[in-house]
Amino acid sequence: GEDVEQSLFLSVREGDSSVINCTYTDSSSTYLYWYKQEPGAGLQLLTYIFSNMDMKQDQRLTVLLNKKDKHLSLRIADTQTGDSAIYFCAETMGAQKLVFGQGTRLTINP
Amino acid sequence: NAGVTQTPKFQVLKTGQSMTLQCAQDMNHEYMSWYRQDPGMGLRLIHYSVGAGITDQGEVPNGYNVSRSTTEDFPLRLLSAAPSQTSVYFCASRRGGADTQYFGPGTRLTVL
Repeated sequence: GEDVEQSLFLSVREGDSSVINCTYTDSSSTYLYWYKQEPGAGLQLLTYIFSNMDMKQDQRLTVLLNKKDKHLSLRIADTQTGDSAIYFCAETMGAQKLVFGQGTRLTINP
Repeated sequence: NAGVTQTPKFQVLKTGQSMTLQCAQDMNHEYMSWYRQDPGMGLRLIHYSVGAGITDQGEVPNGYNVSRSTTEDFPLRLLSAAPSQTSVYFCASRRGGADTQYFGPGTRLTVL
């Protein structure tokens, strides 16, 4: 079945690292994505990883992929107040569509 | 490029009314999709299109119609609005296949 699971909430202190986790079900997914949604806005692509990779780093963002466990994570280093948002992971399901998780609301505490 | 544009940004309907949510993109993308976003449920695919003249159903198509007469436009029609269709609707487009998907700013729809 098509299922992407995320925890709904994460709270971290400013300056700490945030780790947002996601599990997916389709082992044939070609790409896995992380999107960011700020209040009242659409979804903005943050980063993506090919299924044949284990890790991808892009400035403060690190994506880890464990294909055996079908587990994807997004680490945000030195979390800032501007990182407050909802983060969605998504997997490709065939060539036609993306399947999204429920989204994780990241809250930054001063 | 304007990217993906959606109109209106906000809409309130009464039960039984019909309306069309507009979506346009100027990136010459073949793939376009409509999603609805509800609290705690992420984004669910309503309908999608892989090119002009071609549409197909997504996960939650009931109560919605689409058409794709041009590459640029992909309107979503609610034939007889119901309170269960209260949601935020996002249109998205991408060049093809697993390419990066670009989202519009969304339409917030309330059905009373």
